[in-house]
Amino acid sequence: DAKTTQPPSMDCAEGRAANLPCNHSTISGNEYVYWYRQIHSQGPQYIIHGLKNNETNEMASLIITEDRKSSTLILPHATLRDTAVYYCIVRVPAGTASKLTFGTGTRLQVTL
Amino acid sequence: DVKVTQSSRYLVKRTGEKVFLECVQDMDHENMFWYRQDPGLGLRLIYFSYDVKMKEKGDIPEGYSVSREKKERFSLILESASTNQTSMYLCASNPDRDPYEQYFGPGTRLTVT
Repeated sequence: DAKTTQPPSMDCAEGRAANLPCNHSTISGNEYVYWYRQIHSQGPQYIIHGLKNNETNEMASLIITEDRKSSTLILPHATLRDTAVYYCIVRVPAGTASKLTFGTGTRLQVTL
Repeated sequence: DVKVTQSSRYLVKRTGEKVFLECVQDMDHENMFWYRQDPGLGLRLIYFSYDVKMKEKGDIPEGYSVSREKKERFSLILESASTNQTSMYLCASNPDRDPYEQYFGPGTRLTVT
């Protein structure tokens, strides 16, 4: 799996967009970008994934650069409940069981 | 909604005790996973299972074993608990048909004294 680099922490004002960057310069052609988050004292929660096109769902948007070496997760209107550690993971989805390798992620603090 | 439950949120055991951590999922998922999470180290995979009675070692299997006798249940066993196994243990599952998303339980915080 390709290695990812994320800033250790970020702050965001409530109601503003939170833009969380991730570098994955060694990504290969068949690897997807996934984002998970972990709210304090809970298990990780899947947010979104993509291969090369931008993706949007009810939680967030994922912007992947054209060369696929970096991506940005966007929470359009951050709330206090979005305070969490956000993990960017790059891997090939497997048909059968396949592990997720979580790094240390970005700790997002949403403030009033 | 998919539900992954773990038998305990908090557990305190003594060194040398045998410890069982239970995980149950209610969505008929084929794949189940056990991770541990430690500050500064992220999540690390201990074992996973892709079918009943099947198991594969993850990155850090030493000191652990697993059991999957039924599809919905995946147990993590610490044969002789040690203080360096004090950690947060997370169980996850996903179906073969959707390899993108893993569903996690709430975690068990185990303290070995």
